[in-house]
Amino acid sequence: EAQVTQNPRYLITVTGKKLTVTCSQNMNHEYMSWYRQDPGLGLRQIYYSMNVEVTDKGDVPEGYKVSRKEKRNFPLILESPSPNQTSLYFCAARRTGAGYEQYFGPGTRLTVT
Amino acid sequence: ELKVEQNPLFLSMQEGKNYTIYCNYSTTSDRLYWYRQDPGKSLESLFVLLSNGAVKQEGRLMASLDTKARLSTLHITAAVHDLSATYFCAYSSGTYKYIFGTGTRLKVLA
Repeated sequence: EAQVTQNPRYLITVTGKKLTVTCSQNMNHEYMSWYRQDPGLGLRQIYYSMNVEVTDKGDVPEGYKVSRKEKRNFPLILESPSPNQTSLYFCAARRTGAGYEQYFGPGTRLTVT
Repeated sequence: ELKVEQNPLFLSMQEGKNYTIYCNYSTTSDRLYWYRQDPGKSLESLFVLLSNGAVKQEGRLMASLDTKARLSTLHITAAVHDLSATYFCAYSSGTYKYIFGTGTRLKVLA
């Protein structure tokens, strides 16, 4: 079954404590992406990756880091989380090329106090 | 500024009625996507529209794309309660950067 998994699903942390949200896909897709969803703002893209070792900024990259060392994994790193990063985070994967849909993970709800 | 505007933001409709959700975007793009999100759930891809005049249908939902008007529509025919969800449109540039609309929350009343 095609799947994108995220861990953890829920996380409450404190300001400044580094954290990593993992994302893994079993579809061998080249493209992966991170989004955050906030009420009234829809989804906003944080970072995306076209393939291993290739990453690029989305609309709201400040305060986040990513890496793509393997095709299946695309972790999101918050080096020093702040309360304005409290949000619902989604990872997605798709094939490159026109016409392919994104498959989304289940989401990670992050609260930074 | 790259923008996507959806309207309406909220839509309450009776079962059996028809309605259209509109998605306007601010740049020339021929890749337009529609997604559905149920409360507390992730996003599910509905349609990928790749060219001017593209029309796709799945059940009671039909999506179309007019790249000259920078407009996509999601038409709901004879709505049923199961269609209650939030619907997002998004477009992507050639570099796979995605811009999402703020979503339309649809509630279908029995």
